[in-house]
Amino acid sequence: AQKVTQAQTEISVVEKEDVTLDCVYETRDTTYYLFWYKQPPSGELVFLIRRNSFDEQNEISGRYSWNFQKSTSSFNFTITASQVVDSAVYFCALTLYNQGGKLIFGQGTELSVKP
Amino acid sequence: EPEVTQTPSHQVTQMGQEVILRCVPISNHLYFYWYRQILGQKVEFLVSFYNNEISEKSEIFDDQFSVERPDGSNFTLKIRSTKLEDSAMYFCASGGVTGESKNIQYFGAGTRLSVL
Repeated sequence: AQKVTQAQTEISVVEKEDVTLDCVYETRDTTYYLFWYKQPPSGELVFLIRRNSFDEQNEISGRYSWNFQKSTSSFNFTITASQVVDSAVYFCALTLYNQGGKLIFGQGTELSVKP
Repeated sequence: EPEVTQTPSHQVTQMGQEVILRCVPISNHLYFYWYRQILGQKVEFLVSFYNNEISEKSEIFDDQFSVERPDGSNFTLKIRSTKLEDSAMYFCASGGVTGESKNIQYFGAGTRLSVL
């Protein structure tokens, strides 16, 4: 069975601080996708990134960066120079490589960025 | 930009009543999903749907639940006899099969179901 763990329930930072959200996953499959979704206070789920298990290259998109390490089964998410608008619940998720598979979500990390 | 739309945004119902939650997936997507999120908890998979049939369902998705794609554009979740514990946010998602959106699930804004 697959499992995603986000050990940090809540994180609070002051604007402009860097913050890293941790994600650890478990699967016996060798091919899978990992995702991050953002859930702002308005409630919708917004796709941020997909990473497949073949590609351990880190990715940067503006102030966001992702560190994928298969050796530690981790897919961590860093926000550089955080802003108040980054305040949200962030979910890490896993799906197996088969087309159409379900997403298995972590418990989420609530990030609060204070001005 | 194409998006998944869900209606209504909030549904209030009495225990024992039937509810239908509606979703319009992204038009060229072929995989459709329902998830739910009880307040303050993680997002849980309910059911996936492909080629006009259920492809996978979770333990939560018991006989009280059903899904349908009645007209080629809408995707509905019906709860036959609602219970208090069905109160949650219900998310619809759709997934692409080709290109950049392959294996990515895009979510609607959700329907908040309140069972009284």
